Amino acid sequence: DAGITQSPRYKITETGRQVTLMCHQTWSHSYMFWYRQDLGHGLRLIYYSAAADITDKGEVPDGYVVSRSKTENFPLTLESATRSQTSVYFCASSESPTALGYFGPGTRLLVL
Amino acid sequence: TQLLEQSPQFLSIQEGENLTVYCNSSSVFSSLQWYRQEPGEGPVLLVTVVTGGEVKKLKRLTFQFGDARKDSSLHITAAQPGDTGLYLCAEPRNSGYALNFGKGTSLLVTP
Repeated sequence: DAGITQSPRYKITETGRQVTLMCHQTWSHSYMFWYRQDLGHGLRLIYYSAAADITDKGEVPDGYVVSRSKTENFPLTLESATRSQTSVYFCASSESPTALGYFGPGTRLLVL
Repeated sequence: TQLLEQSPQFLSIQEGENLTVYCNSSSVFSSLQWYRQEPGEGPVLLVTVVTGGEVKKLKRLTFQFGDARKDSSLHITAAQPGDTGLYLCAEPRNSGYALNFGKGTSLLVTP
């Protein structure tokens, strides 16, 4: 099916564990983005990518790592999860760097 | 970091009522986007406004961009329960990549 998918949709992990959130889009959009959404803070940019093998930091990148070996995939890794990383994570893709037309359904992460 | 202020933070109305929500910035917007996010889902792009004074309509939703491009409003006529959700405004980041989002207006429309 065409679109943007995220997996898993829900994840519970423990402090210190490594966690990878997956994002896959079928449109071959150049631009992909990771945001986290928290009460009181709204949506905040973690990382973005302009093309395969091109990534850059956003507003809150600490504790996260991304890669983009293929245009359609943009995984986000929490190297050593902390409780402050409990959040809802959204991936987005677009043809334009500043018009985010398509968001995924989100991954709800709980770090115990 | 550019700051977008949205008001009101929460709004609860009955079906059939009209409402307006606002998005403001201390600096001039290069462009502005409005999104709606339903519970448990990702944001969905509703409209992009670019020109000062611009008005766009999407069925019962009317979007207005201020003449000075420092504010925008979203007016919903005869609200329906299906309009329930979080309304977000967003503007391009200074870096030229991605968007900064406001914290949103949470709208509840009851039958």
